[in-house]
Amino acid sequence: AQTVTQSQPEMSVQEAETVTLSCTYDTSESNYYLFWYKQPPSRQMILVIRQEAYKQQNATENRFSVNFQKAAKSFSLKISDSQLGDTAMYFCAFMKGTSGSRLTFGEGTQLTVNP
Amino acid sequence: DGGITQSPKYLFRKEGQNVTLSCEQNLNHDAMYWYRQDPGQGLRLIYYSQIVNDFQKGDIAEGYSVSREKKESFPLTVTSAQKNPTAFYLCASRPDRATGNTIYFGEGSWLTVV
Repeated sequence: AQTVTQSQPEMSVQEAETVTLSCTYDTSESNYYLFWYKQPPSRQMILVIRQEAYKQQNATENRFSVNFQKAAKSFSLKISDSQLGDTAMYFCAFMKGTSGSRLTFGEGTQLTVNP
Repeated sequence: DGGITQSPKYLFRKEGQNVTLSCEQNLNHDAMYWYRQDPGQGLRLIYYSQIVNDFQKGDIAEGYSVSREKKESFPLTVTSAQKNPTAFYLCASRPDRATGNTIYFGEGSWLTVV
C-alpha cells in the first residue's frame, strides 16, 4: 500500500516571501502521479500542480513549483512571492498510473501567509 | 457550466436515520469517488467507481453504500450503521486514463448528526 507523509502540520510565511512544503511517499510502483491540492477555508479542493513520475523535469505552474526527487521519494512544493490568498491547507497526494487508481492523501500542511 | 455538483451543502441527520448525498457530474468522466474528511485531517476514501454498475470499497466503507446506475451520478448513502458520520464529504471524478489522470472535486457536503 502507498503512504504519503507530510511532516509539517503548520507553516507560516510573510507575504512576498518563498516557502517550501515537504512531502514524502512510499511506493513500489514505477508508474505513478503526484499532486499538490490546496484547500482554502471554503473547503473546495483545488489542484495546484501535478507531476508524472516518468518525467525528470520538475513541474511548474506560475508561482508554484515542485522539487521531485524520485530516488528519495520526495515531492516538495515551493511557493514563490507568497500572497494572502495562498493561505490554505495543502495536501500532497499519490496515484498509481494504472486503471482503478485512487488518490492517497497526506495529512496536510496548514499554510498561513502573514501581511 | 461543466463541473461536479454536490447537494445538499449542509445536511442534518437524526440518530438512526439514513441520508443520501447527491453527486452529479457533466464532465463525461468515467471514474467517480467519495472521500470523507474529518476536522484537521486528510481525506479518506469511502467508495469509488470506474464504470457504470460497478464500484469498489475504499478504506472506510463500513456504514456507507453507493450506486452507479448512470455515468453522471454517484450518490452516497450514510446508513444508521455508520456510528460517527459527522464529517465533510467530497465527491470527485476523473476522465478515462487515455485523456487524463487528474481527479477533480466537487464543493463538498457537510453532514451533522443531531
